[in-house]
Amino acid sequence: EVQLVESGGGMIQPGGSLRLSCAASGFLVGNSYMTWVRQAPGKGLEWVSILYGGGRTSYADSVKGQFTISRDNSKNTLYLQMNNLRPEDTAVYYCARFQGGLNAFDIWGQGTMVTVSS
Amino acid sequence: QSVLIQPPSASGAPGQRVTISCSGSSSNIGSNTISWYQQVPGTAPKLLIYFNNQRPSGVPDRFSGSKSGTSASLAISGLQSEDEADYYCAAWDDSLNGWVFGGGTKLTVL
Repeated sequence: EVQLVESGGGMIQPGGSLRLSCAASGFLVGNSYMTWVRQAPGKGLEWVSILYGGGRTSYADSVKGQFTISRDNSKNTLYLQMNNLRPEDTAVYYCARFQGGLNAFDIWGQGTMVTVSS
Repeated sequence: QSVLIQPPSASGAPGQRVTISCSGSSSNIGSNTISWYQQVPGTAPKLLIYFNNQRPSGVPDRFSGSKSGTSASLAISGLQSEDEADYYCAAWDDSLNGWVFGGGTKLTVL
């Protein structure tokens, strides 16, 4: 079964760091384009970052220089390292597979909540 | 303020047809394909439409998409109570070099 399972969320103080994980099954992260999308409480979806199959990355301006997307092919897992967290980073973070053949995000994880608060 | 503009809400009675609009610009909808996502509150988004008007397997043909110029629409015919959800449009933006989403439309089945 094709599936994505996120973990690593929680409550963190402003200025802190957190690393989210997204374990994939049923397909290979290393052969796929993988993304992170977040959703602040009561708000819409916001694209955060994408990791292309060749290793190239791209980030939304709102997180550039603050977040880093990466993967471990041996663990078939995607990561999002989040540093210097701010209250406005509070959101549910979803990992999703971007399917180039569809030009769309076709597989989504269940999400992990990150709360930045003192 | 989202780059892609959607009405915040839409509604219809069971069996009726509703449309949800998504307005963008030449750097996103005008030059790239659009996708639509359905999100039942408390759950993850689900791909509904890709390449402007294509449905993944398993999505009922009651859902259809269209695009013209810098705008797109999602139509849902034969409304059912299970269609009550939030709907989002998305497209790549050539100017921002990233993906942009609409603000979402909350669909209520009366």
